[in-house]
Amino acid sequence: GAVVSQHPSRVICKSGTSVKIECRSLDFQATTMFWYRQFPKQSLMLMATSNEGSKATYEQGVEKDKFLINHASLTLSTLTVTSAHPEDSSFYICSAMGQTNYGYTFGSGTRLTVV
Amino acid sequence: LAKTTQPISMDSYEGQEVNITCSHNNIATNDYITWYQQFPSQGPRFIIQGYKTKVTNEVASLFIPADRKSSTLSLPRVSLSDTAVYYCLVGDLSPVSSGSARQLTFGSGTQLTVLP
Repeated sequence: GAVVSQHPSRVICKSGTSVKIECRSLDFQATTMFWYRQFPKQSLMLMATSNEGSKATYEQGVEKDKFLINHASLTLSTLTVTSAHPEDSSFYICSAMGQTNYGYTFGSGTRLTVV
Repeated sequence: LAKTTQPISMDSYEGQEVNITCSHNNIATNDYITWYQQFPSQGPRFIIQGYKTKVTNEVASLFIPADRKSSTLSLPRVSLSDTAVYYCLVGDLSPVSSGSARQLTFGSGTQLTVLP
């Protein structure tokens, strides 16, 4: 079945630094990938939609200059949290949909802690 | 995107059948209904998907009435390891004309707790 690999699974960084999270579709090509953020005891909130070869579309209230998304190939999308602050600490999850199936596959998530 | 309403939480005991109902009154003709399971600190995992009537796989059944305004996820003989949050999502899963995929919007989900 479709597998989405997300890396790292857990990262701790200092305030002011940047962190990159990778999302790879391992056995299928993903034209579109989605990035979600999830705070404790809450549901997933869509941050942005990443389309291969074009600019990402950000949801209202999500700062595009802070959360940089690059989808340079059909198997890789990256989310970079720039100048991280403690309030950016959260669980970040990516998902992808293959070109031929109608299901969305999610990555295992990245726990970001900014200290 | 169709809005969904689910119970916030449910408790059950091991070995029982659990039914979680989701309301989606404004479901559109092209919308599919998909259920995901999420354990703490993990990404959601696909459980089952359907359009109408009944769908069954190795882990669950999905019942969808004729008007499609609701759906029920049925988990047979739950175990402690089924304790998780279950999300019902409704949406058109076909690619948009540009070839890109449509976004999925998550509702609040249902926290299922299976007790020994």
